[in-house]
Amino acid sequence: EDQVTQSPEALRLQEGESSSLNCSYTVSGLRGLFWYRQDPGKGPEFLFTLYSAGEEKEKERLKATLTKKESFLHITAPKPEDSATYLCAVRGSGGYQKVTFGTGTKLQVIP
Amino acid sequence: EAQVTQNPRYLITVTGKKLTVTCSQNMNHEYMSWYRQDPGLGLRQIYYSMNVEVTDKGDVPEGYKVSRKEKRNFPLILESPSPNQTSLYFCASSNPGLGSPLHFGNGTRLTVT
Repeated sequence: EDQVTQSPEALRLQEGESSSLNCSYTVSGLRGLFWYRQDPGKGPEFLFTLYSAGEEKEKERLKATLTKKESFLHITAPKPEDSATYLCAVRGSGGYQKVTFGTGTKLQVIP
Repeated sequence: EAQVTQNPRYLITVTGKKLTVTCSQNMNHEYMSWYRQDPGLGLRQIYYSMNVEVTDKGDVPEGYKVSRKEKRNFPLILESPSPNQTSLYFCASSNPGLGSPLHFGNGTRLTVT
C-alpha cells in the first residue's frame, strides 16, 4: 500500500526565514510525485510534478526536490502570501486513479 | 478559464434526506474523481471515472453513488446522508498521463445533522 507522510504538521516562519517541508513516501513503482498548495476554503492548486530521483523544479520562491524516499519543498525568503497548507501526493504503478495524499504541512509566514 | 465547478459550496441537511453535489469541468478531461477531506486523514478518494459510463469505487465509497453520463459532469449522490458524511468534498479532473496532475474544484462543505 502506498503511503505518504508529511512533516512537520505545522510550521511558523518569519518573513524571509527560509525552510523546508518534508514528504516521505513509500510507493510501488513511482509514476509521479505531486506538490499542491491549498488555501483555506479552496481546492488544492497544483505546483509541481517530479518523476525521478535527482529531479528538481522551481517556481518563484519554491523549489521541489526528489530522492528515492523523500521529497522536499524548499521555501526561500518566504512572504506572508506563501501561507497555506502544502500537500504532497504520489501516483504509483497501482493504476492511474490511485493517487495517495499526505495530510499536509500548514505553513504560516509572519510579517 | 479552465476550471472545475462544484455546487453548492455549502450545504446543511438532515439525516436521510437525499442530496446531490454537482461537478462540471470545461477542460475536456476524461478522468474525474471525488474526494473527501477530513482533519488528520487527508484527501481520500470516494469514486472515480475513467470516462463516460465508466465509474469505479475508490477507498471510501460506502454511502455514496456517482454517475457519468456526459464527459463534463460527474455528480456525487448521497441517497441517505448520515452525520459521519459531514466533511469537505472535492471534485477533481485530469487528462490521462501518469504525470498529469489533478485539477480540483473549490469544494463543498457538507454538514449532516
